[in-house]
Order: sequence, then structure tokens, then C-alpha cells
Amino acid sequence: DVVLTQSPATLSVTPGERISLSCRASESVDTYLHWYQQKPNESPRLLIKYASQSISGIPSRFSGSGSGTDFTLSINGVELEDLSIYYCQQGNSLPYTFGAGTKLELK
Amino acid sequence: EVQLVESGGVLVQPGRSMKLSCAASGFTFSSFPMAWVRQAPTKGLEWVATISTSGGSTYYRDSVKGRFTISRDNAKSTLYLQMDSLRSEDTATYYCTTGRLGGGYFDYWGQGVMVTVSS
Repeated sequence: DVVLTQSPATLSVTPGERISLSCRASESVDTYLHWYQQKPNESPRLLIKYASQSISGIPSRFSGSGSGTDFTLSINGVELEDLSIYYCQQGNSLPYTFGAGTKLELK
Repeated sequence: EVQLVESGGVLVQPGRSMKLSCAASGFTFSSFPMAWVRQAPTKGLEWVATISTSGGSTYYRDSVKGRFTISRDNAKSTLYLQMDSLRSEDTATYYCTTGRLGGGYFDYWGQGVMVTVSS
């Protein structure tokens, strides 16, 4: 199975700053890497697909990059509503796997 | 508006069975592969199973293979998950999702249904 390692586990943020979250795969997943946001007591929401493709309705401050084994989710100007857990997920091979998540908290 | 509404979750004893349903609306159900993703309490997300548009192809994670069966009724726009021989480690919130077989991502999610396996 492809193991996805997300770092950091927790990130303390200040509103307005630009941040980057990392996701590293144990083997190449090409660009079959997707990002989700899960707010407390809510279902996950797809943020970015295929490493860098935007999703309709998602604010433009969210962007993704990377290919192969190293990926980044960036938030340009964090807002309070972005305080959530972010998961990466690979769709290159079965079983589809998720990272353990990065939790954004208020500094 | 896409809506996925799960039902069927409850407390069940180990070894027993349970069937989850997911009623879909707001999109052409028969055109989308569908999937179940679960999340154990305070844990991360875990893919469970995916089914093709026709239902002719199904895919499972190893830990549920032979115990869970994913199926769909396109005439009723409904997805199912039959869970047999349940174990305590199956305790989780189960989410119904649209599951893209080609790219392997999950674009729409239901609100989730809690399944607790305990004696």
C-alpha cells in the first residue's frame, strides 16, 4: 500500500499568513494526489484534485503543487474559517490511501 | 444540488450484520462510480470500497474483502453497503461518496452514518 506522510501534524497559524502543508508518498503516485478539508463535525470536502487542479466553489487562496512523491497544499492568506484538518489522498493505485492529516489551529 | 443521504447506522454486536443505504439526488447517479469511505472515532479517513457505474466492477480494501459487499440500484439512485461478520474495528462513521475510478478522488460526500460494533 502507498503510505502518505503529512507534515506537520499540527500547525499554529495567524490569520493572513501564507502557509504550506506537506504530503510525501512512499512511492510515486504521479499527479493522482488529492486534498481534502474536514472541519469539526463535518464531512470532508474536496479542495484540490490531481495535485494542482482547482475545484469549483473552493476559494482561490487554496492551491496545490507537486508530482511523484512530494506534494504541497498552500493557503495564501489563512482565514479563521480555514481552521480544520487537511488530508491528502492518493488515487494512483488500490487501495486508495489517505495521509494522517494536518490540523490547523490558531496561534 | 448534489445530495447524498446515508441511513442504516446503529449499534450492532460483533459477528452480526448491517446494511447501509445512501440515497442520491441532484445528479445523474448512474453516470458516477460510487464509494464508501469510513472514519473511526478521532481517527483519519479510510477508503472501504468502490463500485463502477453499472455495478459490474467492485473493489475493496483487504480488511473488508469477503465480509462487505457494495452494490447499487441505479433505478432507485441508491448505493448500499452490506456488512457481515462485523468486528469492533469496523466501528466508524461511514461516508457515501462519488468515487472517480479514473482519478481515484471523492468529490461529493454524504453527512455520514455512525456504525458501532460492540457487545
